[in-house]
Amino acid sequence: GIQVEQSPPDLILQEGANSTLRCNFSDSVNNLQWFHQNPWGQLINLFYIPSGTKQNGRLSATTVATERYSLLYISSSQTTDSGVYFCAGALQGAQKLVFGQGTRLTINP
Amino acid sequence: DVKVTQSSRYLVKRTGEKVFLECVQDMDHENMFWYRQDPGLGLRLIYFSYDVKMKEKGDIPEGYSVSREKKERFSLILESASTNQTSMYLCASSSSLNTEAFFGQGTRLTVV
Repeated sequence: GIQVEQSPPDLILQEGANSTLRCNFSDSVNNLQWFHQNPWGQLINLFYIPSGTKQNGRLSATTVATERYSLLYISSSQTTDSGVYFCAGALQGAQKLVFGQGTRLTINP
Repeated sequence: DVKVTQSSRYLVKRTGEKVFLECVQDMDHENMFWYRQDPGLGLRLIYFSYDVKMKEKGDIPEGYSVSREKKERFSLILESASTNQTSMYLCASSSSLNTEAFFGQGTRLTVV
């Protein structure tokens, strides 16, 4: 199966800073998503982005499918952005969504 | 909005008990999934279902079974709970292959 590698594993920033989270895949994926896990454990959908670029407020994501990676950008970080960010993907025709290990983001006031 | 609802947020059970975790989605999705999340191991797929009464094993099916009698409901069953099944359990659904998956709020199960 595919391997999903996220970097960095931990990131500590001051409020107002910008951050970039990266996700690398060992094989081409079709279904690529970014999630934020809230303090209660629920996975909140951020982006469904098999390719291209999308933006939602202070967050944006870019996937370069041919090079098997995706980036999540957070601008002007707020303390509420803290938490674990996961990327996940599935091979074309496969049903199994495989997750990376996550990036733990801490935004200090 | 898609809504995936898990029956309990927190659950404490005794070793050897039969445990049912229920998941309901309201968007007529064909696919439903059960994952467990453990520190250092990430999210791992236990079972998934792509249609009523259909199921397939994921990466870690041992000690679990599932039931899907209706399209909207997918149940995870621990036939005889053990302490190593203490974990966070997450249910998800999606409309078809390779489309966006949505997750429930999670169930933190503790087996004592």
